[in-house]
Amino acid sequence: EAGVTQSPTHLIKTRGQQVTLRCSPISGHTSVYWYQQALGLGLQFLLWYDEGEERNRGNFPPRFSGRQFPNYSSELNVNALELEDSALYLCASSSRDRAHSEQFFGPGTRLTVL
Amino acid sequence: AQTVTQSQPEMSVQEAETVTLSCTYDTSENNYYLFWYKQPPSRQMILVIRQEAYKQQNATENRFSVNFQKAAKSFSLKISDSQLGDTAMYFCAFMKHGGAQKLVFGQGTRLTINP
Repeated sequence: EAGVTQSPTHLIKTRGQQVTLRCSPISGHTSVYWYQQALGLGLQFLLWYDEGEERNRGNFPPRFSGRQFPNYSSELNVNALELEDSALYLCASSSRDRAHSEQFFGPGTRLTVL
Repeated sequence: AQTVTQSQPEMSVQEAETVTLSCTYDTSENNYYLFWYKQPPSRQMILVIRQEAYKQQNATENRFSVNFQKAAKSFSLKISDSQLGDTAMYFCAFMKHGGAQKLVFGQGTRLTINP
């Protein structure tokens, strides 16, 4: 069974630009979560999508947004990039069959903002 | 709001030794899940073990076991017969049962297994 996949692996952008990160969940998983792992700030919850709807968002500004597609894959968009957006962005997925009680993570996308 | 605290930023042991990583948490919830995740240098977060708060029995997965003390809000991870491949960052995490399914992570413990 394939795990959670994310693309791209690495990304370098400049301040003010926009970026889109992509995530494909494990087959059969309907929920996708996004987390930011920034140096010195630990892992912080960004967004949760389930069945195509945004279910919860963390304490991040509106320039962080996303969506979930009918095939349950997801995109995370970040507009007007700032230096402090440099981080590892992790995507995770979970299954309704397990009552969404376990989240499995992808390898992450390393974003560097210059 | 829930908080998770890992008081050991770094630990180092010799191969084959047993090591225990500490985690405490704060919550007013009665029903929840606790997890230990491992993040090796490859960055992939790997689920090591899961504990359901309503289960008194401590979870075990091969060489990994937990000591769950609900009243004390403590959730430590014991790694027996440690191996070089256990070298990684270890994160303790909390998730409410039902509701918003977000994980709340501790700051992590960097574990190094020396040959």
